[in-house]
Amino acid sequence: RKEVEQDPGPFNVPEGATVAFNCTYSNSASQSFFWYRQDCRKEPKLLMSVYSSGNEDGRFTAQLNRASQYISLLIRDSKLSDSATYLCVVKGFSGNTPLVFGKGTRLSVIA
Amino acid sequence: GAGVSQSPSNKVTEKGKDVELRCDPISGHTALYWYRQSLGQGLEFLIYFQGNSAPDKSGLPSDRFSAERTGGSVSTLTIQRTQQEDSAVYLCASSPQDTQYFGPGTRLLVL
Repeated sequence: RKEVEQDPGPFNVPEGATVAFNCTYSNSASQSFFWYRQDCRKEPKLLMSVYSSGNEDGRFTAQLNRASQYISLLIRDSKLSDSATYLCVVKGFSGNTPLVFGKGTRLSVIA
Repeated sequence: GAGVSQSPSNKVTEKGKDVELRCDPISGHTALYWYRQSLGQGLEFLIYFQGNSAPDKSGLPSDRFSAERTGGSVSTLTIQRTQQEDSAVYLCASSPQDTQYFGPGTRLLVL
């Protein structure tokens, strides 16, 4: 089983739609979770951290389910500018372990 | 403030030649990571430096790959006797703790 798994998509949605991505991770000792965004031919950039209690940043909501070992990202009122690849990222227990990146889910928001 | 910078931004080389890629992390960041990303693929972890600790080299694909971090700051990734399958974007990231900040990458093409 891969450490971090995501549906590669693409998700093609109209402007204004709500879209949700899920991500599963295999290491139950993982402690920190993030969503990164990567635009075409650009470097990944942090979108938001994912907290146990769930967190919201504007149109974006991230949730963590430790029991089922999955993370979700919900985007409401999609904009054309949301088109990108969304990377699920997990960090292990030890402070010195590197982040593990999923392969990403591609989103295309269509006018 | 200044972000992570990488040089060169693009490198074309011939099979069998050595290449050296440079990363300037954000000042004060103790952790530095190298990844590579092939076209349409996810991030592949290569090597990780944390302060003065021995680097985590577990992701290096072969002994042709090596990396150094001098003075806890600038890092160079060296690929010896390049092969066509080494063609990819090589991304560097630095981190003060968990969040990673990526450089723009070096696009390497081995002919």
